[in-house]
Amino acid sequence: EPEVTQTPSHQVTQMGQEVILRCVPISNHLYFYWYRQILGQKVEFLVSFYNNEISEKSEIFDDQFSVERPDGSNFTLKIRSTKLEDSAMYFCASSELLGGNEKLFFGSGTQLSVL
Amino acid sequence: SQQGEEDPQALSIQEGENATMNCSYKTSINNLQWYRQNSGRGLVHLILIRSNEREKHSGRLRVTLDTSKKSSSLLITASRAADTASYFCATDQVSEKLVFGKGTKLTVNP
Repeated sequence: EPEVTQTPSHQVTQMGQEVILRCVPISNHLYFYWYRQILGQKVEFLVSFYNNEISEKSEIFDDQFSVERPDGSNFTLKIRSTKLEDSAMYFCASSELLGGNEKLFFGSGTQLSVL
Repeated sequence: SQQGEEDPQALSIQEGENATMNCSYKTSINNLQWYRQNSGRGLVHLILIRSNEREKHSGRLRVTLDTSKKSSSLLITASRAADTASYFCATDQVSEKLVFGKGTKLTVNP
């Protein structure tokens, strides 16, 4: 079965540094998402992306965050200046259907640790 | 903002028993979905039930939806040790996102 792939699986960075988390969604999918999960907490929505633009974003997704689909296959999340509280597991997801909120396929996540 | 809330937070049962997890939400939805997460891994879609459906089955899974009570339940029958995971409900709130609850951590003891 096709899958969403995320790299790296773990990322350690110093506070204030920029990080880029990478995702390759399933090739025929139209909607892309980033979610995050702080250890032991609920899965939180960050942003959805459709037709090369952000379609919705949460309050967490402030000016320090950006997303990009640079080449038609990769989907990246950039955190410009990381904070300690950005430490979390970041999940990329994609879905096939127009309207988006049908079955989401999730990657295995990138564990981000900000020191 | 509205979110699914699962209960119980944790559930421990013996292999072969049935496991029931509940989810409540607050506003109108298009559909409700259940996902499973093994420790340290991504979420895996289990089943989707639309707002005009009341019950749905998939293998050992049975999901019910009561839109008047804004609640759903996930039943796993004849549980196995491999069912040990966290289970999340997610609601489609007529927007561009799914909203997840905090999850129920299920432990199935062999």
